[in-house]
Amino acid sequence: GAGVSQSPSNKVTEKGKDVELRCDPISGHTALYWYRQSLGQGLEFLIYFQGNSAPDKSGLPSDRFSAERTGGSVSTLTIQRTQQEDSAVYLCASSFGPGTYGYTFGSGTRLTVV
Amino acid sequence: DQQVKQNSPSLSVQEGRISILNCDYTNSMFDYFLWYKKYPAEGPTFLISISSIKDKNEDGRFTVFLNKSAKHLSLHIVPSQPGDSAVYFCAASARAGGTSYGKLTFGQGTILTVHP
Repeated sequence: GAGVSQSPSNKVTEKGKDVELRCDPISGHTALYWYRQSLGQGLEFLIYFQGNSAPDKSGLPSDRFSAERTGGSVSTLTIQRTQQEDSAVYLCASSFGPGTYGYTFGSGTRLTVV
Repeated sequence: DQQVKQNSPSLSVQEGRISILNCDYTNSMFDYFLWYKKYPAEGPTFLISISSIKDKNEDGRFTVFLNKSAKHLSLHIVPSQPGDSAVYFCAASARAGGTSYGKLTFGQGTILTVHP
């Protein structure tokens, strides 16, 4: 596609429920990133996928968070047993690969845990 | 541990004047720096970048300055326009790193408002 597509754009969920956030990167981009922005905070790195390499999961805040990338394209970020502190905007970005840092972000998914 | 800091949460400037946004970092391994602009309800968009081998990079109205000894970078916008009103994030990366390669560390952002 022309840009990075994320769905849903907004998600309200009850505390304790699981949620899945989806990211469709730009076709041909081998690198995919997940970040989140909490209220009043900067963008916090979560996870990085590059081609077939093992992902860099160093930013995932707890074992309730997981992500996968199928076929080197679409990625899903899953948050299990959501907590109120998980409320944030979750941003996905993609790029042609390491060394190309002007990567393209999607519009994000605003997650609200009530 | 905030490795990239933007100490000014907001900045207000008159149209036509210069906007200067500042950013400080602590990690001496950072060797590549970027600025992103973000409008409400949109993802950040890449604006300009600079490698640590340079001290200045210019692109139209936007210039980024890097002072490695002070671990400080700044973004200058001249002349400022009302359409520049947005949140500006600085970001840094250690490109020579192993598994961190590709990962950016962002500051908290500065809200720029340009008044007509």
